[in-house]
This record gives sequence, structure tokens and C-alpha cells, in this order.
Amino acid sequence: GAVVSQHPSRVICKSGTSVKIECRSLDFQATTMFWYRQFPKQSLMLMATSNEGSKATYEQGVEKDKFLINHASLTLSTLTVTSAHPEDSSFYICSAGGRQETQYFGPGTRLLVL
Amino acid sequence: QKEVEQNSGPLSVPEGAIASLNCTYSDRGSQSFFWYRQYSGKSPELIMSIYSNGDKEDGRFTAQLNKASQYVSLLIRDSQPSDSATYLCAVAMNTGFQKLVFGTGTRLLVSP
Repeated sequence: GAVVSQHPSRVICKSGTSVKIECRSLDFQATTMFWYRQFPKQSLMLMATSNEGSKATYEQGVEKDKFLINHASLTLSTLTVTSAHPEDSSFYICSAGGRQETQYFGPGTRLLVL
Repeated sequence: QKEVEQNSGPLSVPEGAIASLNCTYSDRGSQSFFWYRQYSGKSPELIMSIYSNGDKEDGRFTAQLNKASQYVSLLIRDSQPSDSATYLCAVAMNTGFQKLVFGTGTRLLVSP
């Protein structure tokens, strides 16, 4: 149980375009989902907490207008990177909240902005 | 002081040995603790959770929690080369929002 999927697994885009990443909890309902970013050889950085049916809570320093998060259902959250630039190239990972504060991670999306 | 601290390593152990990974945390009110394993280029995978003081065993893994010392550890018995990865300690902060704070991870290398 506790399977989380992400799509796409890898995306290459041109600078200035927008990219949407989907995160789905496949076998459980997740009231809360989380979006992380990880640069090479660095630790996970929480970007935002997404609650179903309400606005996301962004961490300090994360631009909410650049990283749009929608959590429309108990099994789906999306992250849209708007007007992506090369410095946004990173490994984006979502997680879904389970029982007793456990988080289950998706496989991640590797974004490369040219 | 960082909220969750881990030695970055690498921790090198021979195959078959016990690997001991340590983590300290700053929030005395924390109640939930997790160990994740992350292979290079992959996302984290949950290994164990622990909520009460003492030991919790699952196969070759044992998590140990000491809330008084604000210390949580992971022991890996009979280490295998496939255990070579970065191990992340995560602590649920007492905020009520299910948010985890991660350590920077300890890189474990198990040599054949």
C-alpha cells in the first residue's frame, strides 16, 4: 500500500515555458500532500504543503506565483512551474501524508530547463 | 542549531557488519520520527517509523529512540552492498500540520 505516482518522470523544456507535474496517491486518500525540491548532492527542501480544497502553504523564499499548486481532490495534487528558467532545473518530489504523520514519496520528476 | 542533525559521512562498513546511523533533533515536543533511504537519483523510501522510546525492529533494521536525549538512531544488521545509500532522518515538528523536517542525510557505503 501507500503508492504515490508522479508524472512526468522527466521533462525538458525551453526557458519561459510552463511545466505541470502531477502527483497521485494511488491506494489511499491524502488530505495533505507536500512538494519538495532537491538539487544535486543537497538535501530535500520543502517548497509547500498542499491541503485538499484549500490554498497551499508555501515555505519562506518560495514564490507562490511561480510555483502554482492545486490540490483538487484527495488523490491528486499538481505543481506548475510557470515561466521556467534554467535555475529551476531540479528534482521535484511530491509526497502524500498518511497515518501518524508518515509521508510517502512519489518517484520524482527531473526538470531540465534549457 | 539545525532542527535535525546528521553526520554527512560517508560511513563505510564491510559487508556483514552492523551500520549505526545517528540523528539528533531540537524540538522536545516532537512525537514522530522516521528513517528514509534514498538511492542516488531516486526519491526517498520509507524504512521505519518510531514513536515511543526504546527499540523497534523490522527485519535487519532497528530504530532506537531516546526522547530525553533527543536522539534517534538506525541500526542495520548484516549490512549488504545494496544498503549503500543516503539515509535521511525525519522528525515531525510539533506544529500540527504533518510537516517533516529532514536531516541532510548520512551516506552509507557497504563494501563487499
